[in-house]
Formats: sequence, C-alpha cells, structure tokens
Amino acid sequence: EIVLTQSPTTMAASPGEKVTLTCRASSSVTYMHWYQQRSGTSPKLWIYETSKLASGIPNRFSGSGSGTSYSLTINSMETEDAATYYCQQGSSYPYTFGAGTKLELK
Amino acid sequence: EVQLVESGGGLVKPGSSLKLSCVASGFTFSSYGMHWIRQAPKKGLEWITLIYYDSSNKYYADSVKGRFTISRDNSKNTLYLEMNSLRSEDTAMYYCAKGPFWFAYWGQGTLVTVSS
Repeated sequence: EIVLTQSPTTMAASPGEKVTLTCRASSSVTYMHWYQQRSGTSPKLWIYETSKLASGIPNRFSGSGSGTSYSLTINSMETEDAATYYCQQGSSYPYTFGAGTKLELK
Repeated sequence: EVQLVESGGGLVKPGSSLKLSCVASGFTFSSYGMHWIRQAPKKGLEWITLIYYDSSNKYYADSVKGRFTISRDNSKNTLYLEMNSLRSEDTAMYYCAKGPFWFAYWGQGTLVTVSS
C-alpha cells in the first residue's frame, strides 16, 4: 500500500500570503490528485493529474511534483481557501489518501 | 449536470448488514468505474472499493475485504455497496464517487452508524 504523508497537518495563512502544501508518497506514483473539503460538505476535486485545475478552480492554485514528492500552491491566500486539503493517488490499489492539511485563515 | 445520490444509511447493531445505493445521472454511467469512499467522524478519507464500468473487476481495501461487496446495475444507473458483519469502526459517512483514477464527482454521502 502506498502511504501518503501530508505536511503540515495544520497551518494558518494571512490573506495575500503564498501557501504551499506538500504530499509525499512512500513509493513513486504517476500522478497526484487533490481535493478540498469544507466542514460538513463532500470533498471536491481541486487538482487532478498533478497540475490540472478542476473546472471552476481559480488560477491562484497550482500543483506540481513527480515521483514521490508533490505540492499544491496557493499564490495568494484568500478567505474562501480556508479548508482541509487531501492528496490522493490512483496509481496502484488500494487507492490511498493523505491524512489532510487543515488550512486556516490567520 | 452530474449528480450522485446515495441512500440506505442508518443506525445498525454490530454484526448486522446494510445495503447502500447510489443513483447516478448527468453522465454515461455505464462507461465509468465507480468508487465508494468513507469518512469516519472527524477523520480523513478512506477509499474502500472500486468496480469497473462493466463489473469485470472489483477491488477492495483490506479493512472491508470479505465483508463488503460492490456491485452495479448499469440499466438503472445505480451503484451498490452491500455491507455485512458491520463493526463499530465502520461508522462513517459513505460517499460514492465517479472514477476511475481520481474522483471528479462525489455524492452528498449517507451516514452509517454501527452501535449497540
């Protein structure tokens, strides 16, 4: 099973601040996918195939990485970006998620 | 508009069974692999099972293997999850999601609570 380790577990950012969330895989994966989940709602696809923004996602978000190291970056933090972000690999079974990074507004 | 609507959750006792359903609309259901993913209260996401578009292959997480069975009826655009020998640790919100490699669409979830 591929274990995904997200860091940090929790962080706070001020409006306008640049934010980088990381996801490390225990073995190499082809792509990484990212989801945003706000409290009490279903997760939403945010970034797929490492760097492609899902429909409607603002372009202040970006994704990058390869092999075992991936990241999600917010160029300029906005209030609405406060949420929990999960990474996920679909390269091998069982599919796995990271434990999530909770991003709060400072 | 893609919609996934889960149902069938509820409060059950340990050792009992439950069958969840997920009705899909807004896309060609018979062309896509479908997944069940769960989230225990205040916890992260756990992928539990996948079924190929034609039911030819099914995969399970170790935590549910041998107890849960995924199936689908493409004529009814419906995905199922049959859960047997339920345990307290199966308590979670259960989501169906459109695959195959990432989860582009999720349902609103159905809550399963296993408690005596």
